[in-house]
Amino acid sequence: NIVLTQSPATLSVTPGESVSLSCRASQSISTSIHWYQQKSNESPRLLIKYASQSISGIPSRFSGSGSGTDFTLSINRVESEDFSIYYCQQSYSSLLTFGSGTKLEIK
Amino acid sequence: QVQLQQSGAELAKPGSSVKISCKASGYTFTSYAMHWIKQTTGQALEWTGYIAPGSGGTKYNEKFKGKATLTVDKSSSTAYMQLSSLTPVDTAVYYCARGSYYRDSYAHGWYFDFWGPGTMVTVSS
Repeated sequence: NIVLTQSPATLSVTPGESVSLSCRASQSISTSIHWYQQKSNESPRLLIKYASQSISGIPSRFSGSGSGTDFTLSINRVESEDFSIYYCQQSYSSLLTFGSGTKLEIK
Repeated sequence: QVQLQQSGAELAKPGSSVKISCKASGYTFTSYAMHWIKQTTGQALEWTGYIAPGSGGTKYNEKFKGKATLTVDKSSSTAYMQLSSLTPVDTAVYYCARGSYYRDSYAHGWYFDFWGPGTMVTVSS
């Protein structure tokens, strides 16, 4: 199984700051990684596909980068609606797996 | 617009089975796979498997073989997941999610572009 390790587990920031969330894969997965946002009591929402490809309707302050084993989700100038949990998911292996999530909270 | 409507919360006894549904609208049901994802109260997400509605073909996470059975009714654009021999470990929210697939020389595989609201399954005596 490909294990995805997200860090940090919790990130405390002030609105207006820019942040980077990390997702590391246990083996090289090229750019077969996707990012989701899950707000409290809601289902996950796709933010970024294939490491860096944008999704229609997602604010441009969200961007993704990386390849191989190290990936980053960046949020430029965090807004109040962004405080939620972020998950990465790999599609390199036929056994699809998710990271354990990073909770973005208000400082 | 794409919508996935899931059936309501289930309370089931250990050893029993439940069948939850996911009704799709706003797109051609047979053109996209339907995946099922389990989320426990600890918030971990676990992929259960998927079904290709056009062919009825399925692929399961080995961990869920014998536990989950995926089916579809093309006439009503509805996907189903039956969970059998329930134990408290099966207590979770189960999401259906539309799967999209892509492959090129740099990347490949499934991602989930639309999700249902989730169905809470509670297993308790």
